[in-house]
Amino acid sequence: EAGVAQSPRYKIIEKRQSVAFWCNPISGHATLYWYQQILGQGPKLLIQFQNNGVVDDSQLPKDRFSAERLKGVDSTLKIQPAKLEDSAVYLCASSLEAGAGELFFGEGSRLTVL
Amino acid sequence: KQEVTQIPAALSVPEGENLVLNCSFTDSAIYNLQWFRQDPGKGLTSLLLIQSSQREQTSGRLNASLDKSSGRSTLYIAASQPGDSATYLCAVPSGGYQKVTFGTGTKLQVIP
Repeated sequence: EAGVAQSPRYKIIEKRQSVAFWCNPISGHATLYWYQQILGQGPKLLIQFQNNGVVDDSQLPKDRFSAERLKGVDSTLKIQPAKLEDSAVYLCASSLEAGAGELFFGEGSRLTVL
Repeated sequence: KQEVTQIPAALSVPEGENLVLNCSFTDSAIYNLQWFRQDPGKGLTSLLLIQSSQREQTSGRLNASLDKSSGRSTLYIAASQPGDSATYLCAVPSGGYQKVTFGTGTKLQVIP
């Protein structure tokens, strides 16, 4: 069974530029999550999708971050314009169902903003 | 709002020692609790998932227990090895949307 795929693995941009991260969850997983992990901290949930719909984006900085999940499968997370404090690893995870399901993570996308 | 705490933040032990990592959470209305391992520069690898109705789960040298009423879980690692060196995180889904909240992790170093 293929795992959660993410790309790119690494990205370096200058502040005020834009960046997009892509995630392909495990086939059949209805729930998809984007987390931000700053060095030395635990992952922080940015947005949670249930199929196509957003069920929690309370910690997503909506003035600069956006995310979509087309057809309930792949998802893209965009940052525009980036700030220095956005330097972090962006982790995508999926589960068969929200709550009771086991979470599976991708390798993450490491963003450095200069 | 669910808050998850992990103690200690860092731990260094000699190879072969048995050890316990702790995870506590403030809202006991959880669906399950999951323990993860994270190696430097890598994503999170699931170790054990305990459903809210269970008291413990075992996988090889790992044993995780859950006490919902007291808001605590422990991860027991038997006969530690240098390859166990990593950061260990616990996570709990709770609330109406089963939002998953992570602890800040315990960084484990096993010295040969």
